[in-house]
Amino acid sequence: GAVVSQHPSWVICKSGTSVKIECRSLDFQATTMFWYRQFPKQSLMLMATSNEGSKATYEQGVEKDKFLINHASLTLSTLTVTSAHPEDSSFYICSARDRPAWNQPQHFGDGTRLSIL
Amino acid sequence: AQKVTQAQTEISVVEKEDVTLDCVYETRDTTYYLFWYKQPPSGELVFLIRRNSFDEQNEISGRYSWNFQKSTSSFNFTITASQVVDSAVYFCALSHSPDPGTASKLTFGTGTRLQVTL
Repeated sequence: GAVVSQHPSWVICKSGTSVKIECRSLDFQATTMFWYRQFPKQSLMLMATSNEGSKATYEQGVEKDKFLINHASLTLSTLTVTSAHPEDSSFYICSARDRPAWNQPQHFGDGTRLSIL
Repeated sequence: AQKVTQAQTEISVVEKEDVTLDCVYETRDTTYYLFWYKQPPSGELVFLIRRNSFDEQNEISGRYSWNFQKSTSSFNFTITASQVVDSAVYFCALSHSPDPGTASKLTFGTGTRLQVTL
């Protein structure tokens, strides 16, 4: 149980393109999902907390207009990187808890490697 | 503020050796949870263990064991008889009770890259 699916797993696109990444909880409902970014050989940095039915909460320094998050249902959150540029190239990972309590582990998707040419 | 320190950036061992990955944390909260995650080369993060701040019992799961010591704010992870498949980056993380109306976040350490060779 507690499977989080992320799609696509790899994206290569031209500068200026907008890219949408999907994060789905396959066997549970998630009122909250999290989006992380990871540069090579570095730790995970939380970008935003995605809340079902309401606006996402962004971490300091993350441009909300650049990284659009939509959490329209209890099993799907999307991250859209708008007008992507080479500096946006990174590994993006989503996560969710299968239980709402704050002390429950987050379950992670397989990640999306984004390469902007 | 929460902080997790994994001082070992990279460790290289030969198969069948035991290896301990260190994790030191900082928090002002009395109630918190600690986690270990494994990130193999394929990229996905795999949950390994959760430990709450009131339970200092050590835990063993197969070749994995964890030593939690509040006195030193450490939550170390030992792999016994390491195998090549253990090669991965291991992250220690801390979660604390959130402020009302907010979701609790995970604070990750910088990770330790473990390389197990034949």
